[in-house]
Amino acid sequence: DTAVSQTPKYLVTQMGNDKSIKCEQNLGHDTMYWYKQDSKKFLKIMFSYNNKELIINETVPNRFSPKSPDKAHLNLHINSLELGDSAVYFCASSPLRTGGMNYGYTFGSGTRLTVV
Amino acid sequence: RKEVEQDPGPFNVPEGATVAFNCTYSNSASQSFFWYRQDCRKEPKLLMSVYSSGNEDGRFTAQLNRASQYISLLIRDSKLSDSATYLCVVISDTGFQKLVFGTGTRLLVSP
Repeated sequence: DTAVSQTPKYLVTQMGNDKSIKCEQNLGHDTMYWYKQDSKKFLKIMFSYNNKELIINETVPNRFSPKSPDKAHLNLHINSLELGDSAVYFCASSPLRTGGMNYGYTFGSGTRLTVV
Repeated sequence: RKEVEQDPGPFNVPEGATVAFNCTYSNSASQSFFWYRQDCRKEPKLLMSVYSSGNEDGRFTAQLNRASQYISLLIRDSKLSDSATYLCVVISDTGFQKLVFGTGTRLLVSP
């Protein structure tokens, strides 16, 4: 199936741990993103990569580090996890970087991170 | 002030009702506008794009008023399956495909 797939779907971990979330897309898209949806259901962009190049880096603590080994993968590593990091993290991809049109923006099904 | 504002609801309507959601955006340079739908514990999915001339897709009609920086979504003949959160989304920067989301409006359609 063509899709944006994220792993794991659920992640429960203790404060202070380091964890990674992986994302892969087989849609041939050039641009990938990480979005965070907090407890109030507000979705906000964190990072975007275009062909392995970081193009959007919102005000995110530097404990969060994205890594794009190739244009089909965008992983998110989080160091020293805090309670406030608990949220749903969505990966997404789109085929075009410019133009302002929504050329097939596709979201993954999300990773529900709970920090205890 | 958030860049995209929506009434969070919930809007409780009976099946068959017509319901309208509104959204305002603060960046006058915004270029593209969309409505997304998000079901509980699922990812957001594109419902429809919003064009200046207004556009319709079956029971759904979207309108854009650039002068007032206002977007609307009208749902006619509501179905139980329309129950979801409707997200108003804007792209402000044509250089990047960065979607800016509103907080969403929750719709509950009851029998």
